[in-house]
Amino acid sequence: AQSVTQLDSQVPVFEEAPVELRCNYSSSVSVYLFWYVQYPNQGLQLLLKYLSGSTLVKGINGFEAEFNKSQTSFHLRKPSVHISDTAEYFCAVSVRNQGGKLIFGQGTELSVKP
Amino acid sequence: DTEVTQTPKHLVMGMTNKKSLKCEQHMGHRAMYWYKQKAKKPPELMFVYSYEKLSINESVPSRFSPECPNSSLLNLHLHALQPEDSALYLCASALQGAYEQYFGPGTRLTVT
Repeated sequence: AQSVTQLDSQVPVFEEAPVELRCNYSSSVSVYLFWYVQYPNQGLQLLLKYLSGSTLVKGINGFEAEFNKSQTSFHLRKPSVHISDTAEYFCAVSVRNQGGKLIFGQGTELSVKP
Repeated sequence: DTEVTQTPKHLVMGMTNKKSLKCEQHMGHRAMYWYKQKAKKPPELMFVYSYEKLSINESVPSRFSPECPNSSLLNLHLHALQPEDSALYLCASALQGAYEQYFGPGTRLTVT
């Protein structure tokens, strides 16, 4: 079975500072990896994805993530955050031939302060 | 166009009512999903439709009844719900199986 652990439930950071949101996963088979963002009272928006190829993935809004197979991690980074990045961030994995089930982490609340 | 639409945006219903949630996508996706999300929690998968056939039911109570009339539409019929069913209900679609899912804005359901 697969599982996803987001190591920080809350990350407070000042505006224009860099941020890293950590995600580790557990799986005995190859997985696809995703980061989603959820703003208050909205649905989930796909930030970026890793399906195959280059381990450094660039997404929307200046975010990027690096897939590290040996450490089973997929940490999300942004070099300089804005107030508007305040939101809940979810890391998720899926496995081929499992009907597209997304396994989510518990989420990290990013709070950007002026 | 990567848009998934959901109606209504908000719904308040009594425990004896029957109502339906609607989801629509025009991206040619063949997999569609219903999720339930409680506050401060990740979405929980309820149902998966693949090529208009129900492929996964995550042991959801029968008071929730999904329907996929065609490849673009997904409905969730609600009957005799409980107050604990109050949540944000999210629809999502994907090209197929394990690829990235695109989510709608959700329906905020309150059961009184």
